[in-house]
Formats: sequence, structure tokens, C-alpha cells
Amino acid sequence: NAGVTQTPKFQVLKTGQSMTLQCAQDMNHEYMSWYRQDPGMGLRLIHYSVGAGITDQGEVPNGYNVSRSTTEDFPLRLLSAAPSQTSVYFCASSYARATDTQYFGPGTRLTVL
Amino acid sequence: GENVEQHPSTLSVQEGDSAVIKCTYSDSASNYFPWYKQELGKRPQLIIDIRSNVGEKKDQRIAVTLNKTAKHFSLHITETQPEDSAVYFCAATRGSNDYKLSFGAGTTVTVRA
Repeated sequence: NAGVTQTPKFQVLKTGQSMTLQCAQDMNHEYMSWYRQDPGMGLRLIHYSVGAGITDQGEVPNGYNVSRSTTEDFPLRLLSAAPSQTSVYFCASSYARATDTQYFGPGTRLTVL
Repeated sequence: GENVEQHPSTLSVQEGDSAVIKCTYSDSASNYFPWYKQELGKRPQLIIDIRSNVGEKKDQRIAVTLNKTAKHFSLHITETQPEDSAVYFCAATRGSNDYKLSFGAGTTVTVRA
């Protein structure tokens, strides 16, 4: 049981490049979410999903896309990377809602030059 | 949207003393209040949570209290140990929405031996 996994661990992009951050969980959780963590700002919700085929926006969705084709996977796509997207990204999953215990992945540190 | 303020931003305590972190929230409809601990370079992990129908909850050396009237909740750590050194985040649901959490900016706790 691996829990929540994320790849890659580190990534450097140039402004304008696109990429996908991968997130997977093996706990059969319906709820999955993406957060970004910036110094002095805590964790901010980007997008979330309550099940396969269902996604919704969080508080900072601009510049990011998500999809949920399976229960296990919830990738985050950066369409055209900007320096303001330099951050640590965490994926999390829980049984059904954000009010259930959320299990976080190890994070991806992204630098946009 | 929900605004969660967390104080203090840093806290240094002598080993064996108590530590208290306080968070305030803006939406009186918020109904779930978790606390996460994040050790350096690690992922956030849930340590305790409380729901709006409960005033206090304890788990060994940690406790959380909720004052709905004043819209604030606090984390209490007693008999602090070096392994309690970490960043602690509070969070609250965005109103009665069970699918979105807003996080505080975090408190860096250092336990001096």
C-alpha cells in the first residue's frame, strides 16, 4: 500500500513550457485535491475532484487544468508555466470529502525560470 | 471566501513547557477544523481535528478547543518534546462546503532542549 504518490519530485521549467504533475493513490479514495504551498501562505487549494469524471475549482485555479479519468489518478497540468507558479505542489486524497482525513503525497518542487 | 488567520507565526518553547497556537475564521457556517503537522521537507499530516458540534478534543499530549461564538480554535501541546518541532497548520471548511478547506499561514514551533 503506497498511499499517495507524486512524480516528479523536482522539476525546473522555462517560462511558457507546459508539463503535467502526476498524482496517484491506491486507497480507493473518491476525493482528491491539489494544493500549492508558498512561504508564509500556507496551503492553497487549486482544484479538487469528488470522483472519476468530476472536478471543480479551488481558490487559485488559474493557469492549471485537471482531469480525473480513473479513481486512482489525478494529474495537474500547467498550460504555460509562469514564474509565479514556482511553488511546492501537494496532492492529497481522502475517503469522500475534504472533511475526511486527508493523506498528502510527498510533494513536487517546481521552479519556473 | 473563508479567511483563516493563524498566530503566532513562530513559537519557541522550552522542552517540557506547553505550546498554544490560535486560529480565527470568518465564516460562521464553517464546521470542520483540522490541524496538520509538517516536519521539515516532509508532507503535512493530520494530527487532530474537531467538528463544530464539539467544544474540545484531546489525544494524548495534544488538544484542540473550539469557540464558535468568537470564531476561533486553538491547538494545545503539553509537555513538549524535541520531536514536536515542526510547522503546524490550522484549516477550516469554506463555510458549510465539505469539499474545500482554507489553511492558515502556519506556525513554526521550535522546542529547545
